Amino acid sequence: DGGITQSPKYLFRKEGQNVTLSCEQNLNHDAMYWYRQDPGQGLRLIYYSQIVNDFQKGDIAEGYSVSREKKESFPLTVTSAQKNPTAFYLCASSMGRAGWSLATEAFFGQGTRLTVV
Amino acid sequence: AQKITQTQPGMFVQEKEAVTLDCTYDTSDPSYGLFWYKQPSSGEMIFLIYQGSYDQQNATEGRYSLNFQKARKSANLVISASQLGDSAMYFCAMREANDYKLSFGAGTTVTVRA
Repeated sequence: DGGITQSPKYLFRKEGQNVTLSCEQNLNHDAMYWYRQDPGQGLRLIYYSQIVNDFQKGDIAEGYSVSREKKESFPLTVTSAQKNPTAFYLCASSMGRAGWSLATEAFFGQGTRLTVV
Repeated sequence: AQKITQTQPGMFVQEKEAVTLDCTYDTSDPSYGLFWYKQPSSGEMIFLIYQGSYDQQNATEGRYSLNFQKARKSANLVISASQLGDSAMYFCAMREANDYKLSFGAGTTVTVRA
């Protein structure tokens, strides 16, 4: 079945550690996105990518890093510079890129809940 | 900068009644798309409906319809005949043609009462 897989579902991090959240899609989508969601809040965009080896900062990129070495994969690293990383992280993908059809919804993974201990 | 505004943090609606969720947006791009998503307590994101900036008709999908007022930059979601399973958080989102960035509003929590 086609879809987006995020792993792990739950992740615990000690203060000062870097952790990497995995996001893989087999939908052949060009665009991929990472969002952060705090309890009862909206989705805030961290990074997004339209093609391999290219990505742009979203609204809250500080303390995070990404890579896009393969079309299917868009891992997110939460670095020790992110002072308050406890949150729910959602990865999404969609067809197309800037200049292409807008009428393509984004598909989401099940999310990773990160907790700092 | 936040470009999507959802001013209703929470709403209660009686079962079988209709509810309107407000969404306003800001963009200078003449070509853009607007989306509504539902997020139940499980956390999954469910796509509901799409409206393009050049679409002449308001979008409809089953019990969901979008009241699109382009001049007012408004894209309100109407859920008709509410069901208990409609209780969830609802998000409005926008993608501009010149960027492909997909931005979300703060969301509205809907609670359907029996």
